[in-house]
Amino acid sequence: DAGVTQSPTHLIKTRGQQVTLRCSPKSGHDTVSWYQQALGQGPQFIFQYYEEEERQRGNFPDRFSGHQFPNYSSELNVNALLLGDSALYLCASSLVSGETDTQYFGPGTRLTVL
Amino acid sequence: QKEVEQDPGPLSVPEGAIVSLNCTYSNSAFQYFMWYRQYSRKGPELLMYTYSSGNKEDGRFTAQVDKSSKYISLFIRDSQPSDSATYLCAMIPRAGNTPLVFGKGTRLSVIA
Repeated sequence: DAGVTQSPTHLIKTRGQQVTLRCSPKSGHDTVSWYQQALGQGPQFIFQYYEEEERQRGNFPDRFSGHQFPNYSSELNVNALLLGDSALYLCASSLVSGETDTQYFGPGTRLTVL
Repeated sequence: QKEVEQDPGPLSVPEGAIVSLNCTYSNSAFQYFMWYRQYSRKGPELLMYTYSSGNKEDGRFTAQVDKSSKYISLFIRDSQPSDSATYLCAMIPRAGNTPLVFGKGTRLSVIA
């Protein structure tokens, strides 16, 4: 049973560029949440997708956007990158109608903005 | 004041020691409490999931919740070098894919 997968593993960009990160949820899961984890900090919720729509959003600017595909995979897009966007970006999947709402995390994509 | 406070450590203990990790929170609406373990350069892995006040035990791990004090703890008995990781507390006000609110994490090193 494949867990949550994310690509790429690492990414280096320069200020002002745009980036797209990808996530495939755990088999059978239909909900994807994205978190940003800065160095030495806990993960911060960015947004959540279910049924191809953004259902909940954290305190992040509109530069952060996403998408969910019919196969439940998801993308996170960040425009006009800032140095402060350097972080580990985590994807978590869950099942909205499951007995538990446990969120399973992927290994993350480490983004460095120079 | 942050919603969830967690001492970042680092915490270094000898193998076999009992480890106590703690978080405090300010939002009395939190009802569900979790502990995640995160190895270096990996994603968080769920260790314990508890509802409301009380204790929950799973092998060498015990989670405690004291809602009256807004205080949660994770105890690790007979700690092993493989327990060396960052431990994150997380909590939500209700079930149902609610966004997790995390502490900063405590870095633990268990020395053989």
